[in-house]
Amino acid sequence: GAGVSQSPRYKVAKRGQDVALRCDPISGHVSLFWYQQALGQGPEFLTYFQNEAQLDKSGLPSDRFFAERPEGSVSTLKIQRTQQEDSAVYLCASSLRPFSGQETQYFGPGTRLLVL
Amino acid sequence: GNSVTQMEGPVTLSEEAFLTINCTYTATGYPSLFWYVQYPGEGLQLLLKATKADDKGSNKGFEATYRKETTSFHLEKGSVQVSDSAVYFCALSVRGSQGNLIFGKGTKLSVKP
Repeated sequence: GAGVSQSPRYKVAKRGQDVALRCDPISGHVSLFWYQQALGQGPEFLTYFQNEAQLDKSGLPSDRFFAERPEGSVSTLKIQRTQQEDSAVYLCASSLRPFSGQETQYFGPGTRLLVL
Repeated sequence: GNSVTQMEGPVTLSEEAFLTINCTYTATGYPSLFWYVQYPGEGLQLLLKATKADDKGSNKGFEATYRKETTSFHLEKGSVQVSDSAVYFCALSVRGSQGNLIFGKGTKLSVKP
């Protein structure tokens, strides 16, 4: 079956540009997560949705980062006025049920963002 | 706070060698523990997990046992193959939180024929 997909796979932006990253979770998955992975590091949590509700955005590094999931399926992570330190791989993951701490998260291939 | 510490790589082994990748954790609650693997050019995928103390997760010949007394979840495989070359991430999540995974920094494994 189809897994989590993300687009674009690669994005080059000039400093100050706005970017939008898309995530298509596995169909029917209630939970959706965004992570940021810097080079040589493990993924770090950004935000969590249960259906269309953003229940946790504690990991978003600044108010330039904004995420939405308006219909409870596709999600978009938007970064305004990009900075060089935003260069990273952005990972999306989904899980079937509301997160209980035991659920398996299924990851997409990521979007590699390079800000020049 | 919650955190994961895993041994730094890279780790280079010959085919059929024994593998151990150490992982220890700190958690304010009762965590579930995971190993994820990232093969070259691919996304993260779950390798195995354990949700309570003394549970053993296993998959593809890999094993890890949830040791609450030593706060550890070490990954082991008795005989590695070239196809096991990848980056391995230990992770935890805590019940009652909103549900994010907390990852270690990853350990790169290279297996030589």
